[in-house]
Amino acid sequence: NAGVTQTPKFQVLKTGQSMTLQCAQDMNHEYMSWYRQDPGMGLRLIHYSVGAGITDQGEVPNGYNVSRSTTEDFPLRLLSAAPSQTSVYFCASRRVAHNSPLHFGNGTRLTVT
Amino acid sequence: GIQVEQSPPDLILQEGANSTLRCNFSDSVNNLQWFHQNPWGQLINLFYIPSGTKQNGRLSATTVATERYSLLYISSSQTTDSGVYFCAVDYTGNQFYFGTGTSLTVIP
Repeated sequence: NAGVTQTPKFQVLKTGQSMTLQCAQDMNHEYMSWYRQDPGMGLRLIHYSVGAGITDQGEVPNGYNVSRSTTEDFPLRLLSAAPSQTSVYFCASRRVAHNSPLHFGNGTRLTVT
Repeated sequence: GIQVEQSPPDLILQEGANSTLRCNFSDSVNNLQWFHQNPWGQLINLFYIPSGTKQNGRLSATTVATERYSLLYISSSQTTDSGVYFCAVDYTGNQFYFGTGTSLTVIP
């Protein structure tokens, strides 16, 4: 049982490049989400999904796309990277049922130059 | 969204000391979690505690939902307790809001 797995661990992009951050969970969780963590600002929700085919925006969705074709995977796409997207990105999942905690992956550190 | 305030922002303790971290939130919540972010950046789930009191070893937490606050107690602190402690709250189960954390340093 690997939990929530994020790849890659580190990535450097040039402004304007695109990339996909991968997130996979093996706990059969319905809910998956992406957060970004910036210094002094805690974690902020980018996008979330409550099941395959269902996605919605969080607090800071601009510049990011998501899709959920399977229960296990929830990739985050940056179509045209900007320096403001330099951050640490975390994926999290949970059961939709009540009393279910969030489980986080180990994060992806992204630098955009 | 829900506003989450954590205090104190920074805390330095001698090994063996006790501490209390506080999380205030601005609206009704159905979900509340405490996390520890270790020096390697990993977010470790400590407690899922939308109300009541829980204990796990040297750590315990209490949430008073009607008064919109939660407390995390750390007793007999150890150097491995160092890191940042986050509180996260949510009403719907879909949008968790995080505080800016309490940075704890435990000195041997």
